[in-house]
Order: sequence, then C-alpha cells, then structure tokens
Amino acid sequence: DQQVKQNSPSLSVQEGRISILNCDYTNSMFDYFLWYKKYPAEGPTFLISISSIKDKNEDGRFTVFLNKSAKHLSLHIVPSQPGDSAVYFCAASGETSGSRLTFGEGTQLTVNP
Amino acid sequence: DTAVSQTPKYLVTQMGNDKSIKCEQNLGHDTMYWYKQDSKKFLKIMFSYNNKELIINETVPNRFSPKSPDKAHLNLHINSLELGDSAVYFCASSQVVTSYEQYFGPGTRLTVT
Repeated sequence: DQQVKQNSPSLSVQEGRISILNCDYTNSMFDYFLWYKKYPAEGPTFLISISSIKDKNEDGRFTVFLNKSAKHLSLHIVPSQPGDSAVYFCAASGETSGSRLTFGEGTQLTVNP
Repeated sequence: DTAVSQTPKYLVTQMGNDKSIKCEQNLGHDTMYWYKQDSKKFLKIMFSYNNKELIINETVPNRFSPKSPDKAHLNLHINSLELGDSAVYFCASSQVVTSYEQYFGPGTRLTVT
C-alpha cells in the first residue's frame, strides 16, 4: 500500500527555468509534508516542509504548494540551477504516525546548463 | 564535521553471515532511526529509538536487531544474512520524537552474495 506517490521518475529542465515536482498521497491523516534532496552516495537532506494548515511555504528559490482536497503537493524550484540536479523525495507524516515518515519513490531532476 | 555518520559505507558479505552497521550522531538529538532503501528506491522506516528506548518497530524480520548504547548511537545488527537484505541502509536522527525533520547519514550499501 503505497501512501505517497511520485509518478514521475525523472524530470529534465533547462537552467534558469522552473522545475515542478509532484507528489500525491492517499492517507487523509497526513498533516505534515516534507521534501528531501538526495545526491548520489549521500543521504537525503531536508529541503522544505509544509503543515496542512498552510497551502504554501516558500524558502528562497524553493516553494512547496499543498492542495489538501486533491491530496497533492508540488515543489517549485525557480530558477533551476545545475546544482539542483538530484533525486527529490516527498515525505509525509501525521500526528498519529509519531515521527514516522512515509516516503515517495523519488524523482530524478536533471537541470541542463 | 559530520552530523550523522555511518560505518561501514560499503559492506559485501555472504549469505548466512552476521554483520553490524554502526551509526553515530553529534547533533545532540534524542531520536534515531534506521531506514532501508530497496531496489525500487523506496525509503522505508525500520526502527526508531528515543533516548535509547524503542518507539517504532516496523514489520522487519527478527534477524534485524537495533541496539542503542546511548542516545548518540544506534547500531543495526543483522543475523543470518539473506540475498534480499541487499539494500542501502540509512541512519537518521531528529531533535525530538515529535520532530518531523530528520537528518540522514550517508548510507551503508549492503551486498549479500
């Protein structure tokens, strides 16, 4: 039972353009969502998060949007840079989950110079 | 200065052997985790410890036994290794058990032959 899904295994964009990574979830008890970035041979690093009481959170070039009714969130990166090339994981949790994070399968983002 | 470290980074061993992976965090966090990333790239939680006490124990074979000598260390011991145990194992930590933001180690790639 895959509760968090990232349906695009890969995404390729030009430097300077917008990257949009998508994530869908099925568990309505999830109320906190995170994005992690992972470079090869390294562990995931926390990027940005959003609580279900918000529909948008922004940090520099990164913005996460949450649509609770659609059970969908997205990560926007503007402008995209070659250093952003990595695997991006969406994760979700909820009060009933404790600190347990449920991860999606990741999307490989490639930003071309 | 590494925040969450794991040793070894690579581990190649034969079926039936017993092996351990060590994890240490110098962030002063109270909670530590073990995740498994399988061939499909999903990150799945295995265990979580808070102040040396087990708080999350997902459905994993009892051949896997976590040990937390103190809150800065969480080691993973695996008995009677099987081919299906081949994966990347990530250790992580968070400040408190209710914190969703987790900090990951670089991972240990285990290959069972």
